[in-house]
Amino acid sequence: DAGVIQSPRHEVTEMGQEVTLRCKPISGHNSLFWYRQTMMRGLELLIYFNNNVPIDDSGMPEDRFSAKMPNASFSTLKIQPSEPRDSAVYFCASSPKTGGSTEAFFGQGTRLTVV
Amino acid sequence: DAKTTQPNSMESNEEEPVHLPCNHSTISGTDYIHWYRQLPSQGPEYVIHGLTSNVNNRMASLAIAEDRKSSTLILHRATLRDAAVYYCILLEYGNKLVFGAGTILRVKS
Repeated sequence: DAGVIQSPRHEVTEMGQEVTLRCKPISGHNSLFWYRQTMMRGLELLIYFNNNVPIDDSGMPEDRFSAKMPNASFSTLKIQPSEPRDSAVYFCASSPKTGGSTEAFFGQGTRLTVV
Repeated sequence: DAKTTQPNSMESNEEEPVHLPCNHSTISGTDYIHWYRQLPSQGPEYVIHGLTSNVNNRMASLAIAEDRKSSTLILHRATLRDAAVYYCILLEYGNKLVFGAGTILRVKS
């Protein structure tokens, strides 16, 4: 398997524009996570899905952020409108099952710059 | 979320063992102890996990205190490629992997 695939790897956009980040989890994994990483705040869990259903979105910073998982092989994180403070590296991760004994596999991340 | 405490940074010499400590005094009986690391410019990477017994894998060993209130990640022979941020995380059934600040490990040649 190619691992968790994120696209694009880099995104530069202007303030106010809509940004969509994409994630393809590892086939057969039923949990998917979106994280944001900045120097100031470290790695923050934004939202996670089990079996395509959002379970916990308490980390989503505000209504400008939304995430969807229309099927088991694809998820998006959308920011509309984007702001400079959204600049960060966004990671997607997947794991094969729920439970404390499960490991998560991370993608390479999308570096977002909002100017 | 159950909390862990790690030193901000540690330094090691290449080819020597490294012991990375983690305190988790509020751990519950169902929490697994997970370790991840993040190499520069990469996503986090799973290292090892355990519940009560010590664990070994090809990357590292995990030593868990008898009362489970602390654990130690052991890298048997540090290399320059092991320089990374190491995160100790308690994971309960809900599967919510929450990262703290971690320990920055520097390896000197």
